[in-house]
Amino acid sequence: ETGVTQSPTHLIKTRGQQVTLRCSSQSGHNTVSWYQQALGQGPQFIFQYYREEENGRGNFPPRFSGLQFPNYSSELNVNALELDDSALYLCASSPGGASGGIQYFGAGTRLSVL
Amino acid sequence: QQQVKQSPQSLIVQKGGISIINCAYENTAFDYFPWYQQFPGKGPALLIAIRPDVSEKKEGRFTISFNKSAKQFSLHIMDSQPGDSATYFCAAISTGTDSWGKLQFGAGTQVVVTP
Repeated sequence: ETGVTQSPTHLIKTRGQQVTLRCSSQSGHNTVSWYQQALGQGPQFIFQYYREEENGRGNFPPRFSGLQFPNYSSELNVNALELDDSALYLCASSPGGASGGIQYFGAGTRLSVL
Repeated sequence: QQQVKQSPQSLIVQKGGISIINCAYENTAFDYFPWYQQFPGKGPALLIAIRPDVSEKKEGRFTISFNKSAKQFSLHIMDSQPGDSATYFCAAISTGTDSWGKLQFGAGTQVVVTP
């Protein structure tokens, strides 16, 4: 177990709705990254939060947004859901600094958009 | 564009055999290369990782070979077991201060180990 917990495990939404996914990082980790994994593909980087600020962003539209809280937990919000948003959303935490490459993943939230 | 190319897409190996997965990259700023193992319905689990100043790293039955000049690295699974049946992802990242956290993943290799 990595100590990274995500909720909910599964979620079903309809097109146009909004969704919030949650992540609790591993104890001592101040950096959280979010990834989208479509079926049969590798994870794609959405964005990263470091000490409550967005530290970098992948090729995702602004309707994907996030937050990091003082306890380093994080939320991923997706507005105006589209069918192509159906995927496994993964949260990864890392201690940051020189060991920033080491990332530990949660089990993910499976989002289905109908 | 995909910054890390992984092959093969899938492979079948007999129990006790060797599984070999290859990856190639272009960005010379990458300085950390982890491998992840993912079972169905689970998140990726860090398996083993290497930095480019080392040509080989071994942990148990898993070995990474790294060729910096060719910008290639590979995972060898020795004495493959049915429990190793999973999808394996190579990844790369630049740990510079302006690029933390942006792991670039390969497309994955589905490994099936037959009894």
